This record gives sequence, C-alpha cells and structure tokens, in this order.
Amino acid sequence: DAGVIQSPRHEVTEMGQEVTLRCKPISGHDYLFWYRQTMMRGLELLIYFNNNVPIDDSGMPEDRFSAKMPNASFSTLKIQPSEPRDSAVYFCASSAGQAFPLSYNEQFFGPGTRLTVL
Amino acid sequence: AQKVTQAQTEISVVEKEDVTLDCVYETRDTTYYLFWYKQPPSGELVFLIRRNSFDEQNEISGRYSWNFQKSTSSFNFTITASQVVDSAVYFCALSEATFNTDKLIFGTGTRLQVFP
Repeated sequence: DAGVIQSPRHEVTEMGQEVTLRCKPISGHDYLFWYRQTMMRGLELLIYFNNNVPIDDSGMPEDRFSAKMPNASFSTLKIQPSEPRDSAVYFCASSAGQAFPLSYNEQFFGPGTRLTVL
Repeated sequence: AQKVTQAQTEISVVEKEDVTLDCVYETRDTTYYLFWYKQPPSGELVFLIRRNSFDEQNEISGRYSWNFQKSTSSFNFTITASQVVDSAVYFCALSEATFNTDKLIFGTGTRLQVFP
C-alpha cells in the first residue's frame, strides 16, 4: 500500500510568493495532520483534520498560513505571502484514529516538503 | 505542561556497539502514551513503538529494546549491536490530551551516527 504522499519534495521560492504544499493521506485514514520541522522549534503541529474538517488550527503561525481538505484523499497547506522564516520541512501525516483520544494513535508520516524561501 | 526532553543531541558509535537514547518526559496526566519515531536520511518519520502509561514492561523487538520507568519518567531506547542503517534522528513523543488539545509533543530528537 502507498504511504502518505507529499508534493513537491523540494520547493524554492522568493519572498512574497504563494506556496502550496500538497498531501495525499493513506486511504481509509480519517485524520490528517500538518507539521513543520525547524532546527529552532523542532516538530510542531500546525493543524489537523478529521473527516476533512479542521479540528485544531491553534498551531498555525499566522494568517498567511491556510490549510484545506476538500476531500478524503487530498489536502493543501498554503502560505501567502511566503517569508524567509517560513523555510522549514513540512510534513503531512495521517492516522486511522481508532483509539481515543487521538494522540494515542500511531501517525504515518509522508516524506516531507523542504521549503526554502529566499 | 507536557514536555519531552532528549538531552543527547548527537551520538556517534562504531558499528556493533550498543547505544542507549534517553527520553525524559513531564506530564500531569495519569493516562498517556509514549512513542518513538525514527527519521532516516530520507526524511520521513517512521513509527517504532507506542507504550501506554499502565504498561511498564520492557519491550524488545530484535535489536531494539525500550525501558519504561514511571518512577523516573523515562522511556529510554537501546539499540544492541548497532548497524550503519541505524543512523538516523530518533524522536521520543508524548501524547497530550486535555480539554482543549489532543496532540503529540515531540522531543528535539537525538541524531545517531553509526560508523562502520
């Protein structure tokens, strides 16, 4: 079975440009997570969805960041406008969410998108 | 607040040596889960183990073993007879489930380098 798929794997853009990161979760998983990994802050949860509905977006750094999940097999994380401090590796993860609470469940991570904003 | 501390930022060993990665956590919950994830050079995080707070039995899986001690709030990970393929960053994580949050809290990771 395919794991979590993310695209692109690498993205280099200039400050001010819009960036869209994409994720396809594992089929059948009804939870999807977006994380950001930086040297300074480690792994941070940005937002997560349950059945395509955003549940907790308290980790989204500011209004420049937005995430959508139009259907069970696709999600996007958009940064507009991008800034150099957004440079990081962005991970998407999914979970079957069979145990309660959610954080008790194993999460399956994608390969990440390395974003560089010049 | 929940916290996970991985004091070892980087460890280097020679192949076949045993190595232990430390994880110390803080929580006020009586029920919680602890995790270890591996991040190889390819980048994706790979789940290794989940342990709930009521199960303090040590776990062994091949060359990997985990020592969970509630008395010291530690969940240490030992690799026996390390191999070059074990080179990766290893993350310890703690579940945080409260009235207004439900997520994993990750440590800062320990980079393990195994030299031939």
